[in-house]
Amino acid sequence: EPEVTQTPSHQVTQMGQEVILRCVPISNHLYFYWYRQILGQKVEFLVSFYNNEISEKSEIFDDQFSVERPDGSNFTLKIRSTKLEDSAMYFCASRGPGTGQPQHFGDGTRLSIL
Amino acid sequence: AQTVTQSQPEMSVQEAETVTLSCTYDTSESDYYLFWYKQPPSRQMILVIRQEAYKQQNATENRFSVNFQKAAKSFSLKISDSQLGDAAMYFCAYRNSGNTPLVFGKGTRLSVIA
Repeated sequence: EPEVTQTPSHQVTQMGQEVILRCVPISNHLYFYWYRQILGQKVEFLVSFYNNEISEKSEIFDDQFSVERPDGSNFTLKIRSTKLEDSAMYFCASRGPGTGQPQHFGDGTRLSIL
Repeated sequence: AQTVTQSQPEMSVQEAETVTLSCTYDTSESDYYLFWYKQPPSRQMILVIRQEAYKQQNATENRFSVNFQKAAKSFSLKISDSQLGDAAMYFCAYRNSGNTPLVFGKGTRLSVIA
């Protein structure tokens, strides 16, 4: 069964550094999402992406965040200047065409900011 | 804004027994989708079951079934013949129709006792 893949599984970065989290969505999916989950808390929406542009973003997704689909297969989340509070599990999800299709999640990237 | 409430932070069940996890939500929409996701200790997010609001019939997937009460805005998950591998965090999630993000509850941690 096709799946969403995320790399790396764990990223450790110094505060203030830039980090790029990578995702390969399921190949025929058109809608892409990033969510984050701070340890012990619920999953929160960051951003959705469709047709090469951001569809919707939450208030968490401020100017330090950006997303890109550079080559038609990868979907990346960049955090420009990381802060301690960016430490979390970051999940990528994708959804196929059809309004009722569920979002399929990757295994997540655990981001630790030191 | 839509909200999802899971009132049981933790639940436990004996192996082979049945357990029901509660979820309520708040929305003014009539067309939407509801999901249960499982998050084992490995932190993946695995889709368990989904329900379209326009369908009166409750969804079932093997040992997993839901009790969808649209008027009461309730969406509980029943796990029958519980297995050790069912131990995980379970998240209830809501999505409007269209390309909209998931809204998650805070989760219920399910323990399965051998």
